[in-house]
Amino acid sequence: NAGVTQTPKFRVLKTGQSMTLLCAQDMNHEYMYWYRQDPGMGLRLIHYSVGEGTTAKGEVPDGYNVSRLKKQNFLLGLESAAPSQTSVYFCASSPGQETDTQYFGPGTRLTVL
Amino acid sequence: LAKTTQPISMDSYEGQEVNITCSHNNIATNDYITWYQQFPSQGPRFIIQGYKTKVTNEVASLFIPADRKSSTLSLPRGSLSDSAVYYCLVALYSSASKIIFGSGTRLSIRP
Repeated sequence: NAGVTQTPKFRVLKTGQSMTLLCAQDMNHEYMYWYRQDPGMGLRLIHYSVGEGTTAKGEVPDGYNVSRLKKQNFLLGLESAAPSQTSVYFCASSPGQETDTQYFGPGTRLTVL
Repeated sequence: LAKTTQPISMDSYEGQEVNITCSHNNIATNDYITWYQQFPSQGPRFIIQGYKTKVTNEVASLFIPADRKSSTLSLPRGSLSDSAVYYCLVALYSSASKIIFGSGTRLSIRP
């Protein structure tokens, strides 16, 4: 039981490049989330999903897109990366309500030059 | 939306009780209060969750007064390994879309 895994762990992009971050969970959780954390700051919710095939915007959705084609996977896409998107990205999952415990992945450190 | 306010940092010593308070003046009737712990280069980890009065588990206690406008996370005997950032989170039970982590409290436990 791996919990929540994220791929890749590190990535460096040039401005304007695109990439996809993959989050996978093996706990059969309904809810999945993508957060970003800037240095010395708390986590900010980018997008979330309450089930397969559904997505919704969080606090800071601009510049990102997501997809949840399979229950166990939640993809975060950057179509045209900007230096302001340099951050650590965390994925999380929870069983089925916003009050449920969230289980976090190890994070992806993204640098946009 | 219910936002939270926590001290930016706290210092304590090994073996002493540690209390971190969080203010959430706009908490709604169905909101729960959850605390997470985060070590450097790791994702946050759930510590404890409560709705009212007192909740205790093997790691910590959570005290919530009757008006629920604040909560206090208590670590009974701080250890060096408790040095981390602690986040107070007001989880929205309703269909509202936003879950808000505050800036957290950086706790430093000294020998």
